[in-house]
Amino acid sequence: EPEVTQTPSHQVTQMGQEVILRCVPISNHLYFYWYRQILGQKVEFLVSFYNNEISEKSEIFDDQFSVERPDGSNFTLKIRSTKLEDSAMYFCASSPLQRTNTGELFFGEGSRLTVL
Amino acid sequence: DQQVKQNSPSLSVQEGRISILNCDYTNSMFDYFLWYKKYPAEGPTFLISISSIKDKNEDGRFTVFLNKSAKHLSLHIVPSQPGDSAVYFCAASTRLANTGNQFYFGTGTSLTVIP
Repeated sequence: EPEVTQTPSHQVTQMGQEVILRCVPISNHLYFYWYRQILGQKVEFLVSFYNNEISEKSEIFDDQFSVERPDGSNFTLKIRSTKLEDSAMYFCASSPLQRTNTGELFFGEGSRLTVL
Repeated sequence: DQQVKQNSPSLSVQEGRISILNCDYTNSMFDYFLWYKKYPAEGPTFLISISSIKDKNEDGRFTVFLNKSAKHLSLHIVPSQPGDSAVYFCAASTRLANTGNQFYFGTGTSLTVIP
């Protein structure tokens, strides 16, 4: 069964360092998303990406964040200068172009980011 | 601004009994509602959904009820099984043309089914 894969599973970094989280969405999906979950809190939308550009972003997704689809398979989230409060589980998700009968997103297993 | 709320952080139920997980929302523009299940160290996985034009959707042991006037939905699991123990997230979306989905998630309810 096709799945969304994310790397790394866990990354520890120093405050102020750049971090790149990588995702390989399901191959025939065309909408891509990043969500995050700070420990004990809700899953929060960061950004959606379609047709090689950002289609929506939340207030969390400030200038420190960027997304890119550098080739036909990877979808990356870059945090330019990490802060302590960026520590969270980051989930990549994808969905097909057409509205599915159920409308669900397909999530990866997440990348845990720890900023020290 | 929390548009989707799950007011019960945890729930314990005996095996074989019914589990009822609740969710409230504030945005009347939401047109699709979903429940996701999450095990530790895994991403959320889709469980069941309901369109705003319906008030009930059933899939095996799982049933979702939608009360639009109350802006409330619930997930019923019957009978509950130990393998159902997980965190359940309620999510809602507004489908905007050509921009894909944006899902708003609740904080989750941790369900424990006691054997």
